[in-house]
Order: sequence, then C-alpha cells, then structure tokens
Amino acid sequence: QKEVEQDPGPLSVPEGAIVSLNCTYSNSAFQYFMWYRQYSRKGPELLMYTYSSGNKEDGRFTAQVDKSSKYISLFIRDSQPSDSATYLCAMSEEYGNNRLAFGKGNQVVVIP
Amino acid sequence: DVKVTQSSRYLVKRTGEKVFLECVQDMDHENMFWYRQDPGLGLRLIYFSYDVKMKEKGDIPEGYSVSREKKERFSLILESASTNQTSMYLCASSLGVGQETQYFGPGTRLLVL
Repeated sequence: QKEVEQDPGPLSVPEGAIVSLNCTYSNSAFQYFMWYRQYSRKGPELLMYTYSSGNKEDGRFTAQVDKSSKYISLFIRDSQPSDSATYLCAMSEEYGNNRLAFGKGNQVVVIP
Repeated sequence: DVKVTQSSRYLVKRTGEKVFLECVQDMDHENMFWYRQDPGLGLRLIYFSYDVKMKEKGDIPEGYSVSREKKERFSLILESASTNQTSMYLCASSLGVGQETQYFGPGTRLLVL
C-alpha cells in the first residue's frame, strides 16, 4: 500500500461548481497536511496548510483533515477556469526526517 | 515571500554529457530538496540536504549526485546524462524541523537526446 493515495482524475467540472478532492494515507504519525496547486509547466505552489485535524478556510478554498479516517479533502467553491491545474496533497510527521509524502496529483479542468 | 530560483527553465543535452542544475533560495532555509516529476509517477525525491555539505539519498538517487557548498545553493549533477533522465526537475526548500512546508522553484525541463 502506498503511503499516500490520490485519484489522478482528470476531473472536469463546469464553472461555478464545487470541486472536491481527497487523499487517503496510511501513516498515523502524519501531523502536517498540505495542498499544492501546480499549473502546467510550472512548479507546485503551496495552497493550504493544516496542522493535525480540523478545517481551514481561505477564500474559496477549504481544507479538511480527518485523522481518525486518515483522509484529507480540499474543496473549491465557485470554481473558475483559473482553478484549472493539478492539485497535489502532501503530508509529514511532526518530528520526521524533513521529508514530505506526496500524492500523485489530481488534474482539475474547469470548463467556462 | 520565499523565492526559489532554478538556473534554467529548459535544457537540451546529449547522452553522456555532464549536466549541472542549480537552485538558489533566498529565505535562509535549512533544508533543500531535488525532485523529478514524470507523468503517472508523481514527484520522486532524488536527494535532499539539511545543512551545508550534508546530503541524504532520496528514493531514486542512482545516476545523480548533489553539492551544497553554501546554505542558499543546492546543485544537482547528472554525471553522464541518459535518455531516461529526461524529466521535469524541481528544487524545493523548507525552513527546518517543525516547519515542513516546502517551497518549490519553477522547474527545469530537461531533454536528453
């Protein structure tokens, strides 16, 4: 079993729809959870960062962490064509070895 | 804002050439990383460094070496480039233990002919 599982998609939605992305993981020691957005031919940029369980909201973006289920989610409300990108989840242990475990990424296409 | 820069956006090299990819970060971060990204395989860690002159192997170090002579600079070296090293190479940095968020550079697309 891979450490982090993420459905690669692609996911196509109409403009204005809610986009729902998720990752599952196997390592119960993970405490830091991140979502990165990567536009085509660019480097990933940090979108959301969450420590331990709970929700975090930033504008149209909401990140959720459910440690009991080893499941994290990213929701994008009122999706825009500019949200078309690949979204990668990443996570790490609290006192780990400085490494992040990444999902393979989920491609999202928002259709105008 | 954290800024991570990479020396080239696009590179074309021939099989057997020695290739240098350079990465510089301007936020005094302790940790620096080199990844390659390939379709269907995601990000794979090649090497990382948690201090000057220190390095650790990642998941796919074969065919690569690294150098970190200064805190802000981390170089990836392909000793003898091969076609299977054609890829997108991404450099990242992070502050240190307890703050694992990594910040990425724009990437270098390397084509080995």
